[in-house]
Amino acid sequence: VQLQESGPGLVKPSETLSLSCTVSGGSMSSYYWSWLRQPPGKRMEWIGYIHYSGTTTYNPSLESRVTMSVDTSKNTFSLRLNSVTIADTAVYYCASLNYWGQGILVTVSS
Amino acid sequence: DTVMTQIPLSLSVTPGQPASISCKSSHSLLHSDGKTYLYWYVQKPGQAPQLLMNEVSSRFSGVPDRFSGSGSGTDFTLKISRVEAEDVGIYFCMQGIHPITFGLGTRLEIK
Repeated sequence: VQLQESGPGLVKPSETLSLSCTVSGGSMSSYYWSWLRQPPGKRMEWIGYIHYSGTTTYNPSLESRVTMSVDTSKNTFSLRLNSVTIADTAVYYCASLNYWGQGILVTVSS
Repeated sequence: DTVMTQIPLSLSVTPGQPASISCKSSHSLLHSDGKTYLYWYVQKPGQAPQLLMNEVSSRFSGVPDRFSGSGSGTDFTLKISRVEAEDVGIYFCMQGIHPITFGLGTRLEIK
């Protein structure tokens, strides 16, 4: 299974961060699909996961700002994080936890 | 949230020598279903994180048998019996009880 994140690398404060993850080499029905992030110099943080059925579970620390969705017909799942601040600058990863994408750096800056 | 504390934060090892990384959790990772939700990953330079160990001690597909995991409750250890040059990277533990949390990571370098 391979995963690839895509989306803008720069987002303005107060706007919405939107990322997509394309899954290849396996069925999306096999796993829960996670988003994680690692701010510079800090530990990895789990944002949440989505089941292929659409059921979501989010980290309580981010739950009020996070929305995840899945499109099994396109083998993709997505993350939206609204009202971003500089503290949301991080490398964002999509993963099944068994398999991870390479990560995408998203910088929040005006 | 469960806090994961890794020791050491960095490790320099001669090829062929063993290495050991400790991960301690602030709460027991033994779930009511009988499983212990502790995982180990490595992120090699320029690569995506890779799963090494499931549920404390089950090596993931393709992981060499020089890697082993042990522990229970709140104390866990990842051991490499004979370090090779390709093992360079950042090793981190993850606990899988909601919400999922991670250790800070241990940087392994070769002497």
